[in-house]
Formats: sequence, C-alpha cells, structure tokens
Amino acid sequence: DQQVKQNSPSLSVQEGRISILNCDYTNSMFDYFLWYKKYPAEGPTFLISISSIKDKNEDGRFTVFLNKSAKHLSLHIVPSQPGDSAVYFCAASGLRRGNNRLAFGKGNQVVVIP
Amino acid sequence: NAGVTQTPKFQVLKTGQSMTLQCAQDMNHNSMYWYRQDPGMGLRLIYYSASEGTTDKGEVPNGYNVSRLNKREFSLRLESAAPSQTSVYFCATSTPRGTEAFFGQGTRLTVV
Repeated sequence: DQQVKQNSPSLSVQEGRISILNCDYTNSMFDYFLWYKKYPAEGPTFLISISSIKDKNEDGRFTVFLNKSAKHLSLHIVPSQPGDSAVYFCAASGLRRGNNRLAFGKGNQVVVIP
Repeated sequence: NAGVTQTPKFQVLKTGQSMTLQCAQDMNHNSMYWYRQDPGMGLRLIYYSASEGTTDKGEVPNGYNVSRLNKREFSLRLESAAPSQTSVYFCATSTPRGTEAFFGQGTRLTVV
C-alpha cells in the first residue's frame, strides 16, 4: 500500500527549461514533506522540504508547492541544469503526531539534456 | 565529519549465508533507520530505532534483525540470506523532529 506515489518514472528536459515533478499522498496524517535527490552509487541527499502550514517553499532554483486539499505536491526546478540529472524521491512524515518516520515514493529519474 | 558510515560497500553472499551490515553515525541523533532500495520500488523501511535500546519494524522486516548497540551504531543482520534480499541497503539518521534524514553511501548486496 503505497502512501506516497510518484507517477511518470522518468522525465527528460532540455537544459534551461523547467522540470516539474509530481507527488501524491494518501495519508491525511502526513504534515511534513521532503524531496531527496540521488545520484548513482550515492545515498539520497536532502533537497527541500515544506510543512503543511505552508503552500510554497523556495530555495534558489528549487520550489516545492503543496496542495493539501488535493493531497498533492510538486517540485519545480528552474532553470534545469545537467547536474540536476538524478533520481528524485518525494517523502512524507507525520511530525505533529509524533511519527517522524519517512515514507518514500518510488522516485523519478530526471535527465537534463545539454 | 563523516555523517553516516556504512560497511561494507559491496557484498556477495550465497543463499543461506549470514552477514551483518554495519552503520555508524557521528551526528548525535537518536533516530536511525535501515532502508532497502529496489528498482521501481523506491526506498522501503526495514527497521527503525527511535533511541538506543529500542527498535521497531518497518514495511519489510521479514528476514532481517537489527541491533541498536549504542547511540552511534545500528546494525542490520541477515540470518539466512535469500536471493529476494538482493538490494541496495541504506542506513539513515534523522534530526530530532524528523525534519531531515541523512543517508549513508549504501551497501550493494547480491545473494546468489
């Protein structure tokens, strides 16, 4: 039972364009959401997060949008760079309920074409 | 500042053999985790430890045991390896409120 879902397993985008990654969740107890980036042969690294009390969080080229009513979040990368080519995981946790265990999606492979 | 260190990085086992994956963190975090990553499956939680001396099952605990030896170390043991346990294993630790997790480099395990 996948509580965090990432469809469209792979995405190819031209350098300089926008990359948009989508994530849906089913558990209404989740109140904190994170995006992780993973290169081959390395562990995932934290990218950006958002609390359920916000609907947007921006950090440089990365912006995460949260739509609580739709249980949907998205990650925008603008402009995309070749170094952004990686697998991106969406994750969620229920911090306010004392559950800090992260549930991960299956990941999206992003390829940025120079 | 090593963060989260896993050993070994690679391992090949025969079916039925046992082994222990080691994980150590120098971030002074209470929470530690073991995940496995399989193609098309994302990261699935095997076991979780909220603090020294406590462990809880995650999504896929069957075939594994864990030991939280102290605050720094959290080991994962396969008593009798099976080909279905071929995977990449990641150890992680998280900040006190769980707002960020830090991962090791991973252990690529192949069971033949």
